Amino acid sequence: GDSVTQMEGPVTLSEEAFLTINCTYTATGYPSLFWYVQYPGEGLQLLLKATKADDKGSNKGFEATYRKETTSFHLEKGSVQVSDSAVYFCALYSGAGSYQLTFGKGTKLSVIP
Amino acid sequence: DTGVSQDPRHKITKRGQNVTFRCDPISEHNRLYWYRQTLGQGPEFLTYFQNEAQLEKSRLLSDRFSAERPKGSFSTLEIQRTEQGDSAMYLCASTAGTGREKLFFGSGTQLSVL
Repeated sequence: GDSVTQMEGPVTLSEEAFLTINCTYTATGYPSLFWYVQYPGEGLQLLLKATKADDKGSNKGFEATYRKETTSFHLEKGSVQVSDSAVYFCALYSGAGSYQLTFGKGTKLSVIP
Repeated sequence: DTGVSQDPRHKITKRGQNVTFRCDPISEHNRLYWYRQTLGQGPEFLTYFQNEAQLEKSRLLSDRFSAERPKGSFSTLEIQRTEQGDSAMYLCASTAGTGREKLFFGSGTQLSVL
């Protein structure tokens, strides 16, 4: 079945540091890939997505590139801010006989001033 | 866009009791999902509705769980004979498109079974 593996957290960075959160996946067919973010006390919200190989999703300075050859969708940001502190979830939708969105376990990011 | 609302925000119950949660999706969204999230884990899929039809249920969903979406509007999730292992955050999400589109999540109902 479909699965998503994210790097273990928590991740603690200083403000303006470079961020990478690794995500790899196993899926049937040609999945769409997503990063969702959960800020403290709030619901999950979509951060970015990519629907086909080599697509780059981007939003709020975050980027992720859909790499079919390595089955990866790593999240990056060049300079993190304290306001980026949140839990980040990688997810996929394969549509292969299922309607569900499959999530990774999440990576908690803390950014310190 | 008033967002996805869930009620109640918190529910504390004793083992063996029945509980029911409600989800009101964004009004024009015909697709609705229920997920369960425990501490330190990602959301786990429970069930999916397209309009009023329940089209998919996870193997995680035991026969103590039932969900409905009458008339394709709000949805309810009922857990009968609750167990301590049912303690979790129950999330509802809706979308107007396919699963390849953005899901809008509610803030969830936190269930604690004592």
